[in-house]
Amino acid sequence: QKEVEQDPGPLSVPEGAIVSLNCTYSNSAFQYFMWYRQYSRKGPELLMYTYSSGNKEDGRFTAQVDKSSKYISLFIRDSQPSDSATYLCAARRDNAGNMLTFGGGTRLMVKP
Amino acid sequence: KAGVTQTPRYLIKTRGQQVTLSCSPISGHRSVSWYQQTPGQGLQFLFEYFSETQRNKGNFPGRFSGRQFSNSRSEMNVSTLELGDSALYLCASRGDKNVLTFGAGSRLTVL
Repeated sequence: QKEVEQDPGPLSVPEGAIVSLNCTYSNSAFQYFMWYRQYSRKGPELLMYTYSSGNKEDGRFTAQVDKSSKYISLFIRDSQPSDSATYLCAARRDNAGNMLTFGGGTRLMVKP
Repeated sequence: KAGVTQTPRYLIKTRGQQVTLSCSPISGHRSVSWYQQTPGQGLQFLFEYFSETQRNKGNFPGRFSGRQFSNSRSEMNVSTLELGDSALYLCASRGDKNVLTFGAGSRLTVL
């Protein structure tokens, strides 16, 4: 079993919909949680970065971490066709440097 | 500010050969990491360098190696290539804000 699990999708939604992307993890030592977006033939791009439990909002994006249930979520409001990409969640232990553990990614398609 | 630059972007090798990939981090970033991305295993951590020293290493065989130079540029090498080494190899650099910025990757195909 992978330490970070993510539904691969694809997830197809109409433009303007609220998108909910989720991950679960098994390692309770994870303290930092990230969401990356990856377009085809590009490297991952950091969207959200959170420490421990709680919510963080940035524009149309909201990240939630619930350490009690080991659940990570990313919400996208007013989704746009340009949001069509693969979304990767990632987690890191304290003092682990750059050693991130990634989920497998969820492919999102936003249809005009 | 230029991003993380990786060369070459695409390359094809045959089994048994070796390959060297190059990464230039964002100016001022001293920490460089390498990841392998495949459809089956996703993104997996290879190794991390800071000021020319390897700080962390992922669970990959010794055929995978890397190094970092005094100007923070990094290279990774894969020897005795296997078909399963076909992947997108991603380099990432990290600055003071503890955020990893990835390059576009080097796509390696092993025939």
